[in-house]
Amino acid sequence: KAGVTQTPRYLIKTRGQQVTLSCSPISGHRSVSWYQQTPGQGLQFLFEYFSETQRNKGNFPGRFSGRQFSNSRSEMNVSTLELGDSALYLCASSSDRGRRYEQYFGPGTRLTVT
Amino acid sequence: TQLLEQSPQFLSIQEGENLTVYCNSSSVFSSLQWYRQEPGEGPVLLVTVVTGGEVKKLKRLTFQFGDARKDSSLHITAAQPGDTGLYLCAGALVGNNNDMRFGAGTRLTVKP
Repeated sequence: KAGVTQTPRYLIKTRGQQVTLSCSPISGHRSVSWYQQTPGQGLQFLFEYFSETQRNKGNFPGRFSGRQFSNSRSEMNVSTLELGDSALYLCASSSDRGRRYEQYFGPGTRLTVT
Repeated sequence: TQLLEQSPQFLSIQEGENLTVYCNSSSVFSSLQWYRQEPGEGPVLLVTVVTGGEVKKLKRLTFQFGDARKDSSLHITAAQPGDTGLYLCAGALVGNNNDMRFGAGTRLTVKP
């Protein structure tokens, strides 16, 4: 099975712009979660989508949004970028079966805001 | 404060030494995962533990889930430079499906 893919891998934007990141989960996985990772804060949960519906949401401002399509692919959007949004954005997919809740991560998108 | 507290934050050891990393919480988890992450890449799942008291072995790595399902440990025997990386624990909170919480991580460096 192919793993989780994320595009693009690297992105440079300027303050005030908006950005869209894409994630394709492992085939058959219906749950997709997004995380922001920075050296200072570690892995912070953004949101989780399951069957095109947002199921869980972390504590991030409304500038961060996401969606999931019928094929389980997901996108996240950040509007009005700030310098502090520079981070590695990780997507993880899960089969959502039983109690294991195992997540499989993509390689991430490194976003730099200048 | 992190729901899952990992210790130590940083660990630098010589090749061949043993080490233990801890992941502690006051909350109960349905399951707990350990991941290893290398710079610029996503975390890679190492193991999932589900049952209180469960012990799993993966070559030189031994994982244990606490009896009360609130804590876990990762023990590495005879560490090698290839074990270098950021080790993360993550738990699924009981009664809150897919509410996954991550520890801040332990950065391990194994010197040859």
